[in-house]
Amino acid sequence: AQKVTQAQTEISVVEKEDVTLDCVYETRDTTYYLFWYKQPPSGELVFLIRRNSFDEQNEISGRYSWNFQKSTSSFNFTITASQVVDSAVYFCALRPRDSSYKLIFGSGTRLLVRP
Amino acid sequence: GAGVSQSPSNKVTEKGKDVELRCDPISGHTALYWYRQSLGQGLEFLIYFQGNSAPDKSGLPSDRFSAERTGGSVSTLTIQRTQQEDSAVYLCASSLEVNSHQDFGPGTRLTVL
Repeated sequence: AQKVTQAQTEISVVEKEDVTLDCVYETRDTTYYLFWYKQPPSGELVFLIRRNSFDEQNEISGRYSWNFQKSTSSFNFTITASQVVDSAVYFCALRPRDSSYKLIFGSGTRLLVRP
Repeated sequence: GAGVSQSPSNKVTEKGKDVELRCDPISGHTALYWYRQSLGQGLEFLIYFQGNSAPDKSGLPSDRFSAERTGGSVSTLTIQRTQQEDSAVYLCASSLEVNSHQDFGPGTRLTVL
């Protein structure tokens, strides 16, 4: 089965707290890509990161960081010192090699950052 | 540069009518995708175009749904004899090549009364 699970439906934090959004995936493929997208209240999906299955290095971009662990099939996303503007729905997605390039999305995690 | 654009942004129609949704991908992007986002089903893949051909139509929910792409650019998603369960946000995305990330448009919110 090709599947993405985002078990956290909604998370609420106070500004400046760190928060981690979990993503667990299933695929038969040895070659695949993982993505994170942000969907702010305006509705447009915004690309955040792409990671291929051969690169397990963690990545940091400003306040955002991603932890990819093939051993646990997880690709978690951490926001450090969260801000109100981080409030959005965040989607993790999988693109298996045999998927004809379509993205398989998780159900999303709604993050609310309170001032 | 300009992103992916979609029109209309909102469409309200009566059950049984046909609708056409349009997508203008980013210039130069060879791959184009349609997805549907609804409360009950999340984000679902519908169809993928490489150039003008559609190698993967596996996500189209029924034969009432069809899509075409012309000139390797603009795409139209057509829903015939709309049903209430077709109500959703229809998202278009494009990518420079199939291994690139996908850039999404703002979507068309379809409401079938």
